[in-house]
Amino acid sequence: NAGVTQTPKFRILKIGQSMTLQCAQDMNHNYMYWYRQDPGMGLKLIYYSVGAGITDKGEVPNGYNVSRSTTEDFPLRLELAAPSQTSVYFCASSPTGKRGYTFGSGTRLTVV
Amino acid sequence: AQTVTQSQPEMSVQEAETVTLSCTYDTSESDYYLFWYKQPPSRQMILVIRQEAYKQQNATENRFSVNFQKAAKSFSLKISDSQLGDAAMYFCAYRIATTSGTYKYIFGTGTRLKVLA
Repeated sequence: NAGVTQTPKFRILKIGQSMTLQCAQDMNHNYMYWYRQDPGMGLKLIYYSVGAGITDKGEVPNGYNVSRSTTEDFPLRLELAAPSQTSVYFCASSPTGKRGYTFGSGTRLTVV
Repeated sequence: AQTVTQSQPEMSVQEAETVTLSCTYDTSESDYYLFWYKQPPSRQMILVIRQEAYKQQNATENRFSVNFQKAAKSFSLKISDSQLGDAAMYFCAYRIATTSGTYKYIFGTGTRLKVLA
């Protein structure tokens, strides 16, 4: 199994550009999450989903959107990139809310 | 507010020695889960160990063990016989229930562990 796959691994965006960070898992996990990790900080939850068609906001959702049309995929959309969104983004999944996560390898995003 | 505090930004340990990373948390719940994650330079987040709050016995996974003090809201990670491959950022995390009946995790700010040869 591939686990949780994130693409791209690196990206540089100009202010005001848009992009979608892709996340896919092949473990049939219901729960999926997007976190951002700023330098020297822990992970902050952006959005999460408990199943296809269901999404909810986390701690820092402003400037982002998500969708969950299938169990496998949970893309994160940045509509108008801002320098404050420079961060490393992690996608994670879990079969239930009780178990620990399986993380993707992260996407390093720089907005200039 | 639910918070997780890791008061040690950085720790060092000699190879083969033992090191303890501290974590405290704040919660009003009685049933919850605590986790330690490892993040090596590859950036991959790896689950190290998990503790259920209703279990009095401390969790262990090979060289990794926890000291769970529920009354003190403390959840420290002990790494025995430290190896060079243990060098990483270690994050403590606490699982909370959301208002919609699901779960999410609160992470601490991390402790960078250096292992000295």
